[in-house]
Amino acid sequence: DTEVTQTPKHLVMGMTNKKSLKCEQHMGHRAMYWYKQKAKKPPELMFVYSYEKLSINESVPSRFSPECPNSSLLNLHLHALQPEDSALYLCASSQTTGGSHYEQYFGPGTRLTVT
Amino acid sequence: AQSVTQLGSHVSVSEGALVLLRCNYSSSVPPYLFWYVQYPNQGLQLLLKYTSAATLVKGINGFEAEFKKSETSFHLTKPSAHMSDAAEYFCASSSYKLIFGSGTRLLVRP
Repeated sequence: DTEVTQTPKHLVMGMTNKKSLKCEQHMGHRAMYWYKQKAKKPPELMFVYSYEKLSINESVPSRFSPECPNSSLLNLHLHALQPEDSALYLCASSQTTGGSHYEQYFGPGTRLTVT
Repeated sequence: AQSVTQLGSHVSVSEGALVLLRCNYSSSVPPYLFWYVQYPNQGLQLLLKYTSAATLVKGINGFEAEFKKSETSFHLTKPSAHMSDAAEYFCASSSYKLIFGSGTRLLVRP
């Protein structure tokens, strides 16, 4: 099973709301990633978790708060977002971050609209 | 620093024609290279990857790519395009993170 699942598929939230995105994988991968993708652009890395610890934060605003409760789950908590944060949010996983040859497996994404 | 350049933001081919999507990389060390495909409103799916085991890499859905160190290229090809191949294609190299090219949208004409 090479599947990464993400919920919800679509999310509309106001600028004062708090919401969370969820990601799950059961491939035994120990690295998990959050990406943001704007229309007609490649994905931009936001966060990397390695062995359930945050290893990379690509200078993401604090209104995005990641969490890795266990090796299979990854959450992205959202608070006080701006309309420009509307995008497709992709989760990915890979075996580890220790080898650059490890491919990343992507979930289907959550389409976020901030109103 | 590593970088990936995809030539052509849009490529249009007729159904049954050869598909050629271009990717050039810059790296001070031998890179690990990937091609991903993204269908509308979906995540990215790995087509193939190069890890130095062989210069010609075969992937899923009939795609293949050839690593040419002398040209710093990793172009993606498919002998005969199908309507279902219409999608966005991303070339990427890997260091501590994936470095994506800007993407090429493949259009397939009936």
